[in-house]
Amino acid sequence: DQQVKQNSPSLSVQEGRISILNCDYTNSMFDYFLWYKKYPAEGPTFLISISSIKDKNEDGRFTVFLNKSAKHLSLHIVPSQPGDSAVYFCAAGSGYALNFGKGTSLLVTP
Amino acid sequence: ETGVTQTPRHLVMGMTNKKSLKCEQHLGHNAMYWYKQSAKKPLELMFVYNFKEQTENNSVPSRFSPECPNSSHLFLHLHTLQPEDSALYLCASSHAGTVSGNTIYFGEGSWLTVV
Repeated sequence: DQQVKQNSPSLSVQEGRISILNCDYTNSMFDYFLWYKKYPAEGPTFLISISSIKDKNEDGRFTVFLNKSAKHLSLHIVPSQPGDSAVYFCAAGSGYALNFGKGTSLLVTP
Repeated sequence: ETGVTQTPRHLVMGMTNKKSLKCEQHLGHNAMYWYKQSAKKPLELMFVYNFKEQTENNSVPSRFSPECPNSSHLFLHLHTLQPEDSALYLCASSHAGTVSGNTIYFGEGSWLTVV
């Protein structure tokens, strides 16, 4: 049973606009959340994280929002750039286990 | 360069072969992981090692055998694999083996094809 879900397999956004990637989780015990970016033939690269004691964390063009009551996580990329085109994985967990979503493929078009 | 190096990057092996995947981390971390990524599935945790001790085995078949001789090196020994074991195997490391406040850094992966 999947505990972390990314319901949109793909997203297409114009360069300069906002990209919003969504993630839902089912386990209320999760206390740490991360986003990873993955290019083809490479391993996932860490982007940004957030602890359950916060509801927002910002790093440059990337902002992660956490809504604990809705068990929902989102990643905002502003402004989107063509180099942001990749697969984005949401991850959540506690203890020793980090659970990943299936990923959302983002395409940023010029 | 992620600080986590995996070799080989690509491996083709027969079902009766024995081979090993190697991982080395240069980040001074104490925890190392093996993850598996199959097509159209999320990343699956296989094993966690914390200070060379295995702290998690996520119901992985015994045809996969991990070895962690020290905090910087991790191996995955493979024997009598099945074609459905073909996948991308990712090594990762972090400061500690627990999730909270702890970022996991991945290697570039080893693509395994079992024929």
